[in-house]
Amino acid sequence: DAKTTQPPSMDCAEGRAANLPCNHSTISGNEYVYWYRQIHSQGPQYIIHGLKNNETNEMASLIITEDRKSSTLILPHATLRDTAVYYCIVRASGANNLFFGTGTRLTVIP
Amino acid sequence: KAGVTQTPRYLIKTRGQQVTLSCSPISGHRSVSWYQQTPGQGLQFLFEYFSETQRNKGNFPGRFSGRQFSNSRSEMNVSTLELGDSALYLCASSVGTANTEAFFGQGTRLTVV
Repeated sequence: DAKTTQPPSMDCAEGRAANLPCNHSTISGNEYVYWYRQIHSQGPQYIIHGLKNNETNEMASLIITEDRKSSTLILPHATLRDTAVYYCIVRASGANNLFFGTGTRLTVIP
Repeated sequence: KAGVTQTPRYLIKTRGQQVTLSCSPISGHRSVSWYQQTPGQGLQFLFEYFSETQRNKGNFPGRFSGRQFSNSRSEMNVSTLELGDSALYLCASSVGTANTEAFFGQGTRLTVV
């Protein structure tokens, strides 16, 4: 599986958009980008995934660059409950195992 | 519908003992994966079961094993426990087909003393 690089931590003001970057420069053509988050002491929560097109759901938007070497997860209006560790994962098509890196610890500040 | 259920939530065992953890997936899901989370190593994949067969395996010693039943419920077993096995053990269920999201349970916190 391709590796990902994320900043270890970020802060975001409550109510503002949180933009979490992820670098996956060695991604292959059939590998998807998945985002999960983990709130302290809970199991990881699925957020969104995409292949090459931008995706949006009720939780977040995923912007993938045209060359697919990086992506950004956008939480449009961050709340205190969005404070968590966010994991960007590259997952091969057909593979069900997820390889978690160290993630980005997002702190939403009142 | 009900989420992924893991039992027990907390467990304390002594070195050398063995332990069995249980995971009930979301109804209709046929794939169950297990992960270990420790402060030092982060989240690591243990193994995945699909339709009662182990489909993928991570890099863990043979003391870690699992199985899946016909109703998709899964158990994992750790024999001859070591202090380093203290961790949060997480189970994730999915439909099992390509590119479907996995849903995690709350985990079992195992402490080995």
